[in-house]
Amino acid sequence: NAGVTQTPKFQVLKTGQSMTLQCAQDMNHNSMYWYRQDPGMGLRLIYYSASEGTTDKGEVPNGYNVSRLNKREFSLRLESAAPSQTSVYFCASSDRGGGTEAFFGQGTRLTVV
Amino acid sequence: KQEVTQIPAALSVPEGENLVLNCSFTDSAIYNLQWFRQDPGKGLTSLLLIQSSQREQTSGRLNASLDKSSGRSTLYIAASQPGDSATYLCAAVLWGYQKVTFGTGTKLQVIP
Repeated sequence: NAGVTQTPKFQVLKTGQSMTLQCAQDMNHNSMYWYRQDPGMGLRLIYYSASEGTTDKGEVPNGYNVSRLNKREFSLRLESAAPSQTSVYFCASSDRGGGTEAFFGQGTRLTVV
Repeated sequence: KQEVTQIPAALSVPEGENLVLNCSFTDSAIYNLQWFRQDPGKGLTSLLLIQSSQREQTSGRLNASLDKSSGRSTLYIAASQPGDSATYLCAAVLWGYQKVTFGTGTKLQVIP
């Protein structure tokens, strides 16, 4: 049972480059989320998708875009990376919004130089 | 805006000790509260989920309680082991909101 799978695990970008972080879950969950984790800041919600076909902004959406490709997959795109986007990114999923247990991927460690 | 606070930020205890981790939240209208464990360089692993209608949940040596009226949750770890060393995070979900607010975590070290 893979759960939530994120790719890549590590990435180094130059300022201004773009990239897409991929996330897939195999638990048939309706809701998916993207978080970033920074030292001393905890986890902050970037975007979420309550169900297939819908996406909404979270606490820190600036500089990011998302796509809910289908029920399984939720991608996060950085169009023009900035050093402030250096962080660890986590994807998560849950069955019904926040009403049930959330499951997390292993994270993507992104460095923007 | 919901704010979630975890105190202490770090805790070091000898093996075998019983310990309590604290989580406070500002908005008592939560839908549920979830405790996670995070090992260095890893993702979050769910430990316990307490629904708003519940007072506590237990799993093995772990017991989590929820008091919405006081805005508090505690995670009790019995007979701590070195393998319990990790960062423990609590997360609160507001009623009607499909998102969670995380605390900044308590880093636990259990010394053999």
